[in-house]
Amino acid sequence: EPEVTQTPSHQVTQMGQEVILRCVPISNHLYFYWYRQILGQKVEFLVSFYNNEISEKSEIFDDQFSVERPDGSNFTLKIRSTKLEDSAMYFCASSGDRRGTEAFFGQGTRLTVV
Amino acid sequence: SQQGEEDPQALSIQEGENATMNCSYKTSINNLQWYRQNSGRGLVHLILIRSNEREKHSGRLRVTLDTSKKSSSLLITASRAADTASYFCATDNQAGTALIFGKGTTLSVSS
Repeated sequence: EPEVTQTPSHQVTQMGQEVILRCVPISNHLYFYWYRQILGQKVEFLVSFYNNEISEKSEIFDDQFSVERPDGSNFTLKIRSTKLEDSAMYFCASSGDRRGTEAFFGQGTRLTVV
Repeated sequence: SQQGEEDPQALSIQEGENATMNCSYKTSINNLQWYRQNSGRGLVHLILIRSNEREKHSGRLRVTLDTSKKSSSLLITASRAADTASYFCATDNQAGTALIFGKGTTLSVSS
């Protein structure tokens, strides 16, 4: 069964460092998303991406965040200068050929900023 | 905000019992989805119900949607220990470009 894969599963980084979280969405999906979940809290929307551009972003997704689809398979989230409060589980998701269909989530990357 | 808010926050039941979780949201929706999250893992899609549907079944899951009350419920029948997880409802934002999740219900099923 097709699945969304994320790497790495865990990342520890020092405050101020840049991190890139990687995702391989399901191959025929067209909509891509990043969400985050701070430990014990709810899942928060960061950004959605369609047709090689951002279609929506939340207030959390400020200038330190960026997304990219560098090739036909990968979808990345970059955090330029990490802060302690960026520590969270980051989930990538993708959905099919139209809006309003179910989103498939990866297993997440646990980011710890020290 | 179109966030779904689940109720109760936590639910503890015995195996074999039914579990009911509720979700309320604030504005009109195109569809509502339910997801499960096992501890420390990703979100697994359970079921999607469209705004013109009132009820939907999938195995032991039954979802209802009442758009007049802006609420949905998820019923898990004959629960099993493996159903222990957090359950989230999610609604699409007005532009249909994102899913907005509620805070979730943590279900604990003991054997």
